Amino acid sequence: QSALTQPASVSGSPGQSITISCTGTSNDIGGYKSVSWYQQHPGKAPKLMIFDVSDRPSGVSDRFSASKSGNTASLTISGLQAGDEADYYCNSHTNNGTHVFGTGTKVTVL
Amino acid sequence: QVQLVQSGAEVTKPGASVKVSCKASGYTFTGFYIHWVRQAPGQGLEWMGRINPHIGDTKYAQKFQGRVIMTRDTSISTVYMELSRLRFDDTAVYYCARPIGDYDLHYWGQGTLVTVSS
Repeated sequence: QSALTQPASVSGSPGQSITISCTGTSNDIGGYKSVSWYQQHPGKAPKLMIFDVSDRPSGVSDRFSASKSGNTASLTISGLQAGDEADYYCNSHTNNGTHVFGTGTKVTVL
Repeated sequence: QVQLVQSGAEVTKPGASVKVSCKASGYTFTGFYIHWVRQAPGQGLEWMGRINPHIGDTKYAQKFQGRVIMTRDTSISTVYMELSRLRFDDTAVYYCARPIGDYDLHYWGQGTLVTVSS
């Protein structure tokens, strides 16, 4: 199972919106309503930001939103803040019952 | 509150095995899968597999088939991940994680650093 494809880096200025893409196949992203997104700051455990494609866990800011179209999922961060600077990973269930992560995207706040 | 507490750091040699534990508390242990994810230094997240603590069935990533075994002890609400035939590139932080739904990883352990060194 190959890793899902994400851009290596995305940057934006405070207050702007950015979008991170996550591309897979019909065997993972395209086949299930199971995409999740994780934020990871250096030296910390990942934090769930989005599950089931577009749902936010309690406590996650509504500045984080997500969607899916075909084999590609997207995470949008609006009103970018300094604290949003981190690595972001997508994840999907697959048709053989496993999970696969994306390659990861480093978000830089300019 | 839900907590996953992992065992401490390990230093081990190539060819050996390592067993990492993950003790769950704050919820019904048999009600949720536990997943294992690892992260090599400076690298991304890698899903290794999961165990259903209720019946003990497992699902492993193809990459780790034959080298990883996940088990559980329901009497102490603990799951274990054993990785054998260790190589230098198995050096990583290993995390256990539990979902809130069917496919996510919401609650995470603190991570266990496994260092493979001769």
